[in-house]
Amino acid sequence: GQQLNQSPQSMFIQEGEDVSMNCTSSSIFNTWLWYKQDPGEGPVLLIALYKAGELTSNGRLTAQFGITRKDSFLNISASIPSDVGIYFCAGHRGTSYGKLTFGQGTILTVHP
Amino acid sequence: EAGVAQSPRYKIIEKRQSVAFWCNPISGHATLYWYQQILGQGPKLLIQFQNNGVVDDSQLPKDRFSAERLKGVDSTLKIQPAKLEDSAVYLCASSLGKLAGDADTQYFGPGTRLTVL
Repeated sequence: GQQLNQSPQSMFIQEGEDVSMNCTSSSIFNTWLWYKQDPGEGPVLLIALYKAGELTSNGRLTAQFGITRKDSFLNISASIPSDVGIYFCAGHRGTSYGKLTFGQGTILTVHP
Repeated sequence: EAGVAQSPRYKIIEKRQSVAFWCNPISGHATLYWYQQILGQGPKLLIQFQNNGVVDDSQLPKDRFSAERLKGVDSTLKIQPAKLEDSAVYLCASSLGKLAGDADTQYFGPGTRLTVL
C-alpha cells in the first residue's frame, strides 16, 4: 500500500537547537499534515498544509508543502524540552472520505 | 469540549482470546476512525465510519476483526481470536465529516494498548 518515508528516524539535540525533518512519497497528496504524539497519548495535529508550495507557521514550528506535492518539511526552531515526542507526517488525497496515510515517525529527544 | 474517549487504556490477553475496545467520539462528529499503531510505526487505518455506515474497511482483517457503530455515535472494535501480532495501540479518532475537499481534521483519543501473550 501507499507509504510515506519520513526521516530521520530519530534525533538527539540540545535545547535551543533547530530541528528539521521531512517526509516523501512516491505519489501525490493534496494535503499534508504534521502530528505530534506524546507517550501514552494519541497524535495531536500541529500544522495542516493545503496548497503546493505553501509555507505555514505555528509558533516555533514551520512546515512547507513541497512543489511536487510529493513531500513536506517540518522545522522546529529553538527547541525546548517539551518538544520531546514522536512527530508524524500524514498525507491526504482530498477526496471524499479520503483516508490519512502516516509516515513512520521521527523520535525527537531534547537534552536540557 | 470533551475529547475522544477510549476504554480500556490497557489490556493484556492470551492468544486466541477475544477482546473489545470502546470509543466515544467528540459530540457532533459524524466520522469515526479506528487505527492500529504497532510499536515504531505510524497509525494505520483499520476502518472508517460515516455516521453508522462503513466508508472504508479495506485494511481490516475481517477474519478476526469486526467493528460497529450502531447508533452513529460510539463504536466498538473487536478481535476474535487474537494473535501475537495484534499487539499494538488501537487509536480511535473522530472528525466533523466533510464530504469533499480539504482533509477533515481528525482528533485522536489516547488509545488502548493491547498486549497479546
